[in-house]
Amino acid sequence: GENVEQHPSTLSVQEGDSAVIKCTYSDSASNYFPWYKQELGKRPQLIIDIRSNVGEKKDQRIAVTLNKTAKHFSLHITETQPEDSAVYFCAATDPSSYKLIFGSGTRLLVRP
Amino acid sequence: NAGVTQTPKFQVLKTGQSMTLQCAQDMNHEYMSWYRQDPGMGLRLIHYSVGAGITDQGEVPNGYNVSRSTTEDFPLRLLSAAPSQTSVYFCASSYSRRTEAFFGQGTRLTVV
Repeated sequence: GENVEQHPSTLSVQEGDSAVIKCTYSDSASNYFPWYKQELGKRPQLIIDIRSNVGEKKDQRIAVTLNKTAKHFSLHITETQPEDSAVYFCAATDPSSYKLIFGSGTRLLVRP
Repeated sequence: NAGVTQTPKFQVLKTGQSMTLQCAQDMNHEYMSWYRQDPGMGLRLIHYSVGAGITDQGEVPNGYNVSRSTTEDFPLRLLSAAPSQTSVYFCASSYSRRTEAFFGQGTRLTVV
């Protein structure tokens, strides 16, 4: 089945800097890659997603890139703000079932 | 529009007790899942369902049962609680296998 690895586990950046979180997946047939943000004590919420027929997607300060050949995808946050501090999860859909498999999460701290 | 509703929010069980975590969604979503969240391990899939009457196992199904008698409800049963089942449990639903998953507010379960 699908396996998703996420790095780094923690990331600390200065406000205004960029942050990059990377994930790799195991099943080359996977075709949907969402990113979720979870604030302390809250539920995970989708911030951006990408499908396998697209290489890059942007939404204001957030972008996701997908490299199908290397089986990895990345989240890029530019001009970070303190409210970006949270845990971020990547995920991939197992193409043979509905299973949405998550990475282990990255705790992002944006220092004012 | 309530979205995904989980009950209870908090629960303490003694080892060996059984209980049911409730999950209901009002978005007419076919896909529903249960995850557990442990520190440093991300969100791990317990069981999932692709429609009423259809359920399947996720990554960590042992010790848990599910059923899906209606589109709206997807309860998770702990048959004989163990301390290793202490965790935060999230229910999620989505319209399809490649669209946003909406999460409930979570249930914090402690087994003593």
